[in-house]
Amino acid sequence: DAGVIQSPRHEVTEMGQEVTLRCKPISGHDYLFWYRQTMMRGLELLIYFNNNVPIDDSGMPEDRFSAKMPNASFSTLKIQPSEPRDSAVYFCASSTPREYEQYFGPGTRLTVT
Amino acid sequence: SQKIEQNSEALNIQEGKTATLTCNYTNYSPAYLQWYRQDPGRGPVFLLLIRENEKEKRKERLKVTFDTTLKQSLFHITASQPADSATYLCALPTGGTDKLIFGTGTRLQVFP
Repeated sequence: DAGVIQSPRHEVTEMGQEVTLRCKPISGHDYLFWYRQTMMRGLELLIYFNNNVPIDDSGMPEDRFSAKMPNASFSTLKIQPSEPRDSAVYFCASSTPREYEQYFGPGTRLTVT
Repeated sequence: SQKIEQNSEALNIQEGKTATLTCNYTNYSPAYLQWYRQDPGRGPVFLLLIRENEKEKRKERLKVTFDTTLKQSLFHITASQPADSATYLCALPTGGTDKLIFGTGTRLQVFP
């Protein structure tokens, strides 16, 4: 299996622009998680899905952030409009209900200028 | 709410020695606790899971302990090697959900 796939790996954008991050989980994994990692706050959970349904979005910082999972093999995290404080590494992870460990993608490094 | 504390200072040890990293949590004892390894520019990689009824778990050179009385887990790497240099994160579930919260991690540097 190729593991969790994320794109793009790097994104540089100007403040106010829309940003879309993409994730393909491991086939057969029912859970999908979106995290954000910064030096100051560490790894924070933004939202997670079970069987394509959002379960908990309490970590989404504000309405500028939205996430969708239209099918079992694809999810997006959108920021509109982006702000410099959104600069971070965004990780997607997936897991199965039978195992507790999460498998992380390589991350998307977002820089908003 | 549950909080995790890991030593934010880097741990520097000599090759061949045993590295010991600490993870403390502040609230209720979770059903299990996990340890991950993260290399620069990469996502975390799962290493070990230990359940609340297990006091110790081993995998090759890795050993994890879980003390629910002290609210603490220790992560040991025996016969450490420079390739073990990375940041190690502990994680535990919150409130009976499928969510994990992560510690900020401890950076380990093993020098020859």
